[in-house]
Amino acid sequence: QKEVEQNSGPLSVPEGAIASLNCTYSDRGSQSFFWYRQYSGKSPELIMFIYSNGDKEDGRFTAQLNKASQYVSLLIRDSQPSDSATYLCAPTRGWASKIIFGSGTRLSIRP
Amino acid sequence: DGGITQSPKYLFRKEGQNVTLSCEQNLNHDAMYWYRQDPGQGLRLIYYSQIVNDFQKGDIAEGYSVSREKKESFPLTVTSAQKNPTAFYLCASSYDRNTEAFFGQGTRLTVV
Repeated sequence: QKEVEQNSGPLSVPEGAIASLNCTYSDRGSQSFFWYRQYSGKSPELIMFIYSNGDKEDGRFTAQLNKASQYVSLLIRDSQPSDSATYLCAPTRGWASKIIFGSGTRLSIRP
Repeated sequence: DGGITQSPKYLFRKEGQNVTLSCEQNLNHDAMYWYRQDPGQGLRLIYYSQIVNDFQKGDIAEGYSVSREKKESFPLTVTSAQKNPTAFYLCASSYDRNTEAFFGQGTRLTVV
């Protein structure tokens, strides 16, 4: 089992709709969870982080965390063409002092 | 401005040659990381360091070496033992083990 699993996509969503990105992780000790966005050929940039179970909202983005199910998700409301990118899920392994990245989900917003 | 600087942006390596990728940060972060990304793939951890003069192997450390003599610097050497080094290399830093990582702009290494 991979430490972090994401559907590679591509996930195609019409402009203005909600995009839902999912991630599961294997380490129950993970304490912090980050979502990064990466445009083609560029370095990843942080868009959301979440530490506690439940939802966290920031503008058009909502992160959801369920530690019991070892599941974290990212919702993007009112999707825009500029949201077309690869989204990387990154939980920490606190005991091992490192951040582990999933392989990413490629999101495409169609006009 | 605070940030992470990687250099060079593009690097070409001949067969059998060692090359060193530079990574400098002025964010006063303790933790620094090196990742490798192949086309269409995620980030794989090469080495990481939580404190000066200490570093740990990641998942794909073979053929790479690092040093952490200063808090702000974490250079990566790609040795001739790394048989397939062509990739996009990303350096990152974070305040500590549980906070977000910030990335440099990356170095694209090509073997010629």
